[in-house]
Amino acid sequence: EVQLVESGGGLVQPGRSLRLSCTGSGFTFGDYSMTWFRQAPGKGLEWVAVIRHKGHGGTIDYAAAMKGRITISRDDAKSIAYLEMDSLKTEDTAVYYCGGGRGSYRTPWGQGTLVTVYS
Amino acid sequence: EVVLTQSPDILSLSAGERATLSCRASQSVNGDYLAWYQQTPGQAPRVLIYGASLRAAGIPDRFSGRGSGTDFTLTISRLEPEDFAVYYCHQYGSAPLTFGGGTKVEIK
Repeated sequence: EVQLVESGGGLVQPGRSLRLSCTGSGFTFGDYSMTWFRQAPGKGLEWVAVIRHKGHGGTIDYAAAMKGRITISRDDAKSIAYLEMDSLKTEDTAVYYCGGGRGSYRTPWGQGTLVTVYS
Repeated sequence: EVVLTQSPDILSLSAGERATLSCRASQSVNGDYLAWYQQTPGQAPRVLIYGASLRAAGIPDRFSGRGSGTDFTLTISRLEPEDFAVYYCHQYGSAPLTFGGGTKVEIK
């Protein structure tokens, strides 16, 4: 069974950093592009970042709203994707989800991890 | 940036009825890489359809997707009680990846 589990969320003050993890199982992690999404309370879905698999050059793209403050990376040997978030703002408060993809195929998402930035 | 516009915002229907949700893109979606997600309150989004028309694993066949280029549709042939939820379309053919604003299917 394809499964993704996010972790690393929590309460943090503005300006601080946090690293989220997304652990995959049930599929060949290194063959998939990994993507982070988020959903602020009561709002819609928003794309955050994508890191493509090595077959697609391992290229990375970031959403403009967080570019310069986030770094996406992956450790295929451990089947984990990371999202390092710096200089957090109150508007970054959201549930963060990860998802995988290969060609047109999309994996299920994890249950998400809540990041709360409070002042 | 590919802007996705979903309509209607709210769809009020009864169980057993057919639901038709629309997603229109501001430009052609690369590779027809268009997915549909369902979200119920307090739950993570669940992928229903990917590649515009391919049903994800475990998704009942009352859910179907069609379309290409700029116009896409999600159809629920006969609404079950568990289908009342918010539905999002999502294009992943080009960066920045984008979502539509969602359609809420509510009980009439």
